[in-house]
This record gives sequence, structure tokens and C-alpha cells, in this order.
Amino acid sequence: DAGVIQSPRHEVTEMGQEVTLRCKPISGHDYLFWYRQTMMRGLELLIYFNNNVPIDDSGMPEDRFSAKMPNASFSTLKIQPSEPRDSAVYFCASSSERNMYEQYFGPGTRLTVT
Amino acid sequence: GNSVTQMEGPVTLSEEAFLTINCTYTATGYPSLFWYVQYPGEGLQLLLKATKADDKGSNKGFEATYRKETTSFHLEKGSVQVSDSAVYFCALSYYNQGGKLIFGQGTELSVKP
Repeated sequence: DAGVIQSPRHEVTEMGQEVTLRCKPISGHDYLFWYRQTMMRGLELLIYFNNNVPIDDSGMPEDRFSAKMPNASFSTLKIQPSEPRDSAVYFCASSSERNMYEQYFGPGTRLTVT
Repeated sequence: GNSVTQMEGPVTLSEEAFLTINCTYTATGYPSLFWYVQYPGEGLQLLLKATKADDKGSNKGFEATYRKETTSFHLEKGSVQVSDSAVYFCALSYYNQGGKLIFGQGTELSVKP
């Protein structure tokens, strides 16, 4: 299996621009998670899906952030408009019951907003 | 609410030294406990886990025991190597939440030759 795939690996954008981060979970996994990592706040869960349905989005910072999972093999995290404080590494992870919900992480997307 | 607290880093050790990274948690019920490792520029990898009290997780020479009486899950290794230099995260999750993880703040380990 290819593991969790994220794209792009690095993104540099200007304040006010729209940013879209993408994730492909491991085939057969029915849970998908988006995390954000910063020096100040560490690793935070933003949102997670089960069978493509958002279950808990209480970690989404504000209305500028939105996440979708249109099918079992693809999810996006969108920031519009982006701000410098959104600069972070964003990780996607997936899990399933058959592996006792062990989470497998993607390599992350490093976002820099100038 | 549920939370995880780790000892602050960075931790700097010489090769072959003994490692302990402290982790305590606050949680209701019976969460599963994990240690994840993040090497520079990479995502997180599961290092070891324990799903119930008194379980010991182990992998690559690292060990941690789930101590419910002290709500702790300290990570230990008898002899560290330069290649163990990384950031280590303690975390907890509940089975009925699909493995949603609550992380500690991470502890950076630097091992010098």
C-alpha cells in the first residue's frame, strides 16, 4: 500500500489567497483526520470524518477553514482567505477498525502564508 | 477534558545513555495510549501502544507501561543511538472515536555521538 498521500508537500502563498490541501487515505480506511502542527500549539485535531461524513469539526479554527470528503479516497482542507497565522504543517491521517484504529499519517503539507 | 502532558524538551543525551521521557494523562474511562515519533521533515509514525492497564508496549528497544494508578505512560530506552534523534509524542485515544488522537506537546530528543 502507498500509505497516506498528501499534496502539495510545500505551499507558499500570499495573505488573502485561497489554499487547498489534498489527502488520499489508505484504501479501505473509513476514518480520516486532519491535524495541524505549530510550534506554539503543537499538534491539534482540526476535523475528522467517518465514511465520508464529518463527525467532529470542533477543532476547525474559524469559518475561513473548510474540509470536505466527497468520496472514500479523497479529502480537501481549504483555507479562504489565508492569513500568516495559518502557517503550519498540516497532516492527514487515516484509520480503520480492522487495524484497531491505528492511525497512519501522511508526510504533511508545510504551508507558509506571507 | 482529556489531555496529555509530556516533559519539556529538548532532551540531549550521549549515545548509549538511558532515556526516559515522562508522560501523564488526564482522561475518563479507559483510553488507549500511544507513543509516536517524528523524524525531521517527516510525518508521525507509531512507535508503540498499550490498550489497557499494566500493558507494556515495546518496539525498537523502546518500552512504555500503561500505569492507571499514576495515569502515566513513560517512554524508556536502555541505550539510545544517534538515529533515535527525533520528536516524541505521547497520545491517547478512545476506540469508539475511530482512534481520534489527543497529543502531548512533544519532546525533542537529540543524541550526540
